[in-house]
Amino acid sequence: AQKITQTQPGMFVQEKEAVTLDCTYDTSDPSYGLFWYKQPSSGEMIFLIYQGSYDQQNATEGRYSLNFQKARKSANLVISASQLGDSAMYFCAMREIQGGSEKLVFGKGMKLTVNP
Amino acid sequence: ETGVTQTPRHLVMGMTNKKSLKCEQHLGHNAMYWYKQSAKKPLELMFVYNFKEQTENNSVPSRFSPECPNSSHLFLHLHTLQPEDSALYLCASSQERQRLRDTGELFFGEGSRLTVL
Repeated sequence: AQKITQTQPGMFVQEKEAVTLDCTYDTSDPSYGLFWYKQPSSGEMIFLIYQGSYDQQNATEGRYSLNFQKARKSANLVISASQLGDSAMYFCAMREIQGGSEKLVFGKGMKLTVNP
Repeated sequence: ETGVTQTPRHLVMGMTNKKSLKCEQHLGHNAMYWYKQSAKKPLELMFVYNFKEQTENNSVPSRFSPECPNSSHLFLHLHTLQPEDSALYLCASSQERQRLRDTGELFFGEGSRLTVL
């Protein structure tokens, strides 16, 4: 079974609008972490935002916020005021314990296109 | 230089060639990783090194051979590859989490795009 599910293969948004990228996860660990990464065409994976499973408040980093709904096991990324430079692949990832060590498991990603 | 740098950025090789990918991190991290990114598939963790010791080999074929001479450098030696090995190979580094609240995020390089003919 997939640990991280990103069901939207691609999304289009107008510049300056907000967009929500969906992510659901599956784990039985009580302690885990959730990440969002951005991958532009250059290839580098850029860390955007992190949410710990015990964090009481939703994480925010500038224009990025994470809508963390623990009971639903979802960790959606919200980008406010989209910019053309936000066009990229976006990956949701989860840190969990596997085989006694921490590992980062990634979803398949989704492509965001910001239109002028 | 800062961050994680990978060379070469692009590599084309035949199935009988031997080549190496290089990764260097300037962040003072103690863990380094190789990931494989194929089209329309999640990133696949290949190898993990902590303090120069290999702690993870995710059932990777022996035609991929990692080497970590020190905590700043990581190599991936390639020999007798198959066309299905064509992919983007990403190197990453991280700092061991000291506290539960530490994020432990991975810092990635720009990747080496490998094409096997």
